[in-house]
Amino acid sequence: AQSVAQPEDQVNVAEGNPLTVKCTYSVSGNPYLFWYVQYPNRGLQFLLKYITGDNLVKGSYGFEAEFNKSQTSFHLKKPSALVSDSALYFCAVSRNAGKSTFGDGTTLTVKP
Amino acid sequence: NAGVMQNPRHLVRRRGQEARLRCSPMKGHSHVYWYRQLPEEGLKFMVYLQKENIIDESGMPKERFSAEFPKEGPSILRIQQVVRGDSAAYFCASSPGQGPSGANVLTFGAGSRLTVL
Repeated sequence: AQSVAQPEDQVNVAEGNPLTVKCTYSVSGNPYLFWYVQYPNRGLQFLLKYITGDNLVKGSYGFEAEFNKSQTSFHLKKPSALVSDSALYFCAVSRNAGKSTFGDGTTLTVKP
Repeated sequence: NAGVMQNPRHLVRRRGQEARLRCSPMKGHSHVYWYRQLPEEGLKFMVYLQKENIIDESGMPKERFSAEFPKEGPSILRIQQVVRGDSAAYFCASSPGQGPSGANVLTFGAGSRLTVL
């Protein structure tokens, strides 16, 4: 079985400050890890993925994520938040070509 | 490149009626996934299909729900005898299948929002 935990329902940051959205996972074997973003009344959009290699992964819109195998974490980060980053963020894990399992999501609010 | 197309975007049904949700995957994608998003909740996996085959239906309720992905045409998620608890957003995603890395990046549709009165 595979699972994802996003421990924070909501993250609030001021514009220009760094942001972190947390994610921990559980899966047997090597994980494939993903971050997606969802804007209101829209489908999810892919941000970035970790498959193998460098633990720091860079993705769209200036986001990056750090894979930590010992802590089974894959936290999403951005050095300087924008108001337009406000959205619902989902972490996901999969193995091979099978289904992706999503966390419950974290609502990010960036205030001007 | 039209992306993943879902229709209808909004569907209203009365209890006991049937709901049919359609999904056309992105061009070149042969793998389709259905997820359900209940209000204030995350995405829950329902079913994973390839053309004419159900690969993983571990998230499908045992009764009233079925899915297909025929050789020709869109994937269909069918809910028979709907109940109020079926009210949710149903998202379809597609992928090209197992790439060189073995990982599936999903491309999502905009979702179909089912309301059961």
